[in-house]
Amino acid sequence: DAGVIQSPRHEVTEMGQEVTLRCKPISGHNSLFWYRQTMMRGLELLIYFNNNVPIDDSGMPEDRFSAKMPNASFSTLKIQPSEPRDSAVYFCASKTSGLATQYFGPGTRLTVL
Amino acid sequence: DQQVKQNSPSLSVQEGRISILNCDYTNSMFDYFLWYKKYPAEGPTFLISISSIKDKNEDGRFTVFLNKSAKHLSLHIVPSQPGDSAVYFCAASALYNQGGKLIFGQGTELSVKP
Repeated sequence: DAGVIQSPRHEVTEMGQEVTLRCKPISGHNSLFWYRQTMMRGLELLIYFNNNVPIDDSGMPEDRFSAKMPNASFSTLKIQPSEPRDSAVYFCASKTSGLATQYFGPGTRLTVL
Repeated sequence: DQQVKQNSPSLSVQEGRISILNCDYTNSMFDYFLWYKKYPAEGPTFLISISSIKDKNEDGRFTVFLNKSAKHLSLHIVPSQPGDSAVYFCAASALYNQGGKLIFGQGTELSVKP
């Protein structure tokens, strides 16, 4: 039974480049969440979707960040242009709406040089 | 404004003894509380949860206690095992008001020594 799948697991890029992180939620889950983990700010919610619709993007740091969910089985988080302060681990999580428990993917460690 | 706080960054416990991890929250709208365990280079793994209508939930060696009046919850691990060594995150959700997004504490790193 596959859990949440994220790719790539590691990404190293240079400042100014576009970065795209990918997530496949657990089949049947209809809520999807993007989180970022840093030493300074801990685990913080960036954006979440219900039934492929963005519900709350108040955690997205700035316009350089965008997220899409074109269908129930795929979501992307894009950073354009990337900056060194974007270096962090980005997690995707999914759940069934109406339930509290979220299931996390393994994360993407992003390093922006 | 940190709505969920874990004031102890680290905790060291001897194998076989009890581990108690604490968490405080400020938002009275939270109606569900969860504990996650995280190993390095992995995503957080769900451990145990409790609804705000309960004051205790138990699952094997893990028990979560909720004190709503004090806005405090704790996770007890008995007996502690070396494999329990990880970072533990407390999370809170206002499931029916905010769509179930989780607000996390900063985490407590538990070290269980053989």
